Amino acid sequence: GENVEQHPSTLSVQEGDSAVIKCTYSDSASNYFPWYKQELGKGPQLIIDIRSNVGEKKDQRIAVTLNKTAKHFSLHITETQPEDSAVYFCAATMNTGFQKLVFGTGTRLLVSP
Amino acid sequence: DVKVTQSSRYLVKRTGEKVFLECVQDMDHENMFWYRQDPGLGLRLIYFSYDVKMKEKGDIPEGYSVSREKKERFSLILESASTNQTSMYLCASSIRDSLHFGDGTRLSIL
Repeated sequence: GENVEQHPSTLSVQEGDSAVIKCTYSDSASNYFPWYKQELGKGPQLIIDIRSNVGEKKDQRIAVTLNKTAKHFSLHITETQPEDSAVYFCAATMNTGFQKLVFGTGTRLLVSP
Repeated sequence: DVKVTQSSRYLVKRTGEKVFLECVQDMDHENMFWYRQDPGLGLRLIYFSYDVKMKEKGDIPEGYSVSREKKERFSLILESASTNQTSMYLCASSIRDSLHFGDGTRLSIL
């Protein structure tokens, strides 16, 4: 089955810096890669996703890149703000229709003012 | 906005008890899921359901069962609670790609 590894487990940056979180996946059949943000006391919320037919996707300050050959994908946050502080999860799936996602272990991002 | 509501934010039970965690979604989603979240382990799928009365095992179903009698409601059952089931439990629903999560139930088994 699919296995997703996520690094780093914790990341501290200064406000305005960029942050990068990296994930690798094992199953070459996986073709859908979402990223979720979990704020304190809340459930995870989808912030961006990418499919295997696309190499990069941007949405304002966040972007995701995908390297299918190397089987890794990354989340990039530019001009970080304190409200970006949260736990971020990557995930992968073969898009079976049931969205049986396999999640990474999470990255705790702390943005200091 | 989709709303997924979990009946309890915090729950404390004793070992051996039968525990019910309830989840309701209001967007007529076909698919519903129960995840368990533990530090350093991420989110692990316990069970999911793609239709009423249908259920499929996830990656860690041992010690759990589920019930889906109505489309909007998905219940997780701990048949005989044990201390290693102390965790955060997250319910989610989806119709296509995006999972919509509830805010979780933090369950402590004493």
